[in-house]
Order: sequence, then structure tokens, then C-alpha cells
Amino acid sequence: DIVLTQSPGTLSLSPGERATLSCRASQYVISSYLTWYQQKPGQAPRLLIYGASNRATGIPDRFSGSGSATDFTLTITRLEPEDFAVYYCQHYGSSAMYTFGQGTKLEIK
Amino acid sequence: QVQLQESGPGLVKPSQTLSLTCTVSGGSISSGTYHWSWIRQPAGKGLEWIGRIYTSGSTNYNPSLKSRVTISVDTSKNQFSLKLSSVTAADTAVYYCASSGFYFDFWGQGTLITVSS
Repeated sequence: DIVLTQSPGTLSLSPGERATLSCRASQYVISSYLTWYQQKPGQAPRLLIYGASNRATGIPDRFSGSGSATDFTLTITRLEPEDFAVYYCQHYGSSAMYTFGQGTKLEIK
Repeated sequence: QVQLQESGPGLVKPSQTLSLTCTVSGGSISSGTYHWSWIRQPAGKGLEWIGRIYTSGSTNYNPSLKSRVTISVDTSKNQFSLKLSSVTAADTAVYYCASSGFYFDFWGQGTLITVSS
């Protein structure tokens, strides 16, 4: 099974700064099957990016996804106060198996 | 827009069966657009996919839970359900239902299930 490893575990930044979050897969994955979510305390995860680089409906353009093969990145330019949350990557694999990374906590510095 | 709502008892005794229902609104569960999934999250931890069902009744389960999980669908009520047997404290978590394809588009708000005597 594919393992997704997210780094860093915690990222401390200030509003207005740029955030770069990494998701590394243990083996090659199809970009179409790589997704990013944002989760705030007490809330369900929210779909951000699907197909590695496609923003979901209503997601601001300061969020972007990139990458291929085993290395994927979520970038947030010009952090807003509401962007501080936990971010998860997720992969859809063979045999209809869904796998999540362990998450990156983006906190205010 | 599709909306989902979980319901079920908040407390389950060890060794018993956890039962949850997800009610779908804003769309038909029979539309064929989505699979319907269950996901859980222990407090302070990450997300774990439990399994999914299609409108036809076809299911896929996480191998780590497969022996204890049953997911079913009731198209007449626009609902799908989760049963997890032989629960232990390790099954204490927030349980979410969600629409799914390659990813999870729409999520319920989640319901906390505590396993305790």
C-alpha cells in the first residue's frame, strides 16, 4: 500500500507569508488521484485541491497545488488568518483504497 | 449541493456493535454520481477511511477494518449506514460520512462515538 508522508509536521508562519507544504508518496502515484484538504478545529475536512493542481469550487486562488510522481506540494501565498489549520493530502489507489497523510499543522508564528 | 448528516448513539459499550446512519439531502443517493464513504478520526489524530458503498450495493472496505465492517444503503430513505462490530476503546473517534469518487467532495459534520463501559 502507498504511504503518504507530509512535511513538516508543524509549520509556523505569519499572516502575509508564503506556506509550502509537502506530501511525498512511497511509490509513484497518478496525479489525478492526489488531493488536498483543509481542516479547522471542530470541523470536517474541506476539499481544497483535486487532481494535484485543480482548485475546488470556491477555493481562493492563493491556494495552489503542484507536483507529480512521488512529490506533491500545496502552496498558500499571502497567508490569511483563516488559513491556519491542519492540511491533509490523500491518495486514491488500486482496489479502491483511500490513504491520507498524517497532516501538517499550519500555525500562527 | 449535496449535504450529509450522521446520526447514531454517542456511546457504545466495548465488544458491542457501533451503528451509524448518514442521511443525504440535496441529491439522490441513487444518482450514480458518487460512492458513499465512512471516514473516522480519533481525537488529535489523522483521518482513516473505513469503507464505501455504491448505489448498487457494491462495497469496498479498508483491509485493516474489513473483518468488522458492514456498510449498507437504503435508497428509499436516501441513507447509508455503517456497522462496526466488536468495538474497543481504539474505535473511539469522530465518524464522518462523505460523498466519494477519487476524493471526498462533501462531508457530514461528524459525530463523536465513544466506546466505554
